Amino acid sequence: DAGITQSPRHKVTETGTPVTLRCHQTENHRYMYWYRQDPGHGLRLIHYSYGVKDTDKGEVSDGYSVSRSKTEDFLLTLESATSSQTSVYFCAISESGLTDTQYFGPGTRLTVL
Amino acid sequence: GQQVMQIPQYQHVQEGEDFTTYCNSSTTLSNIQWYKQRPGGHPVFLIQLVKSGEVKKQKRLTFQFGEAKKNSSLHITATQTTDVGTYFCASGTSYGKLTFGQGTILTVHP
Repeated sequence: DAGITQSPRHKVTETGTPVTLRCHQTENHRYMYWYRQDPGHGLRLIHYSYGVKDTDKGEVSDGYSVSRSKTEDFLLTLESATSSQTSVYFCAISESGLTDTQYFGPGTRLTVL
Repeated sequence: GQQVMQIPQYQHVQEGEDFTTYCNSSTTLSNIQWYKQRPGGHPVFLIQLVKSGEVKKQKRLTFQFGEAKKNSSLHITATQTTDVGTYFCASGTSYGKLTFGQGTILTVHP
């Protein structure tokens, strides 16, 4: 498995609180992605990064922000968590983008009460 | 945006039976990737197809990309209990962004 860790692995929080999820990689890959997985929807892209401080929105970015200050770390922040953001969040990395394999982290299960 | 439809949503088979999942798009795809996710696990890359009409095999798994590059299939011959999981197709675009199908959940009864 590629060197990708996510923290925390599980989190329960309350509506309206900010939450930050961390993705850390040891592969020095340029591209990093945040997906959410919900039953019946597969995985949907939230935000992605194509380099340090270079980020852009994905398909379901409302209510989320990201930051990447170092190659190895990609942070996902839920500015004010809502129950609709209860999901499993996966981070992924890719060396060169487009036709390249993506390697996924173990996921973070987030519950918003 | 690009959409990839995947069917069936669920498939229950007896061990030894074959299994097929299909992905379809209304637009031409530049490539299609297939991933497998074991229960409780994370998606794991299986293969990528980029050429029209491409067929690739991995042991009991056969992957096809349609001539028009609008559809793809994954076929497993003689399923085993180790094949249990969710199979996703995904189409890649700029910056490696992936659009996933909804996935097919495969259950194999021994």
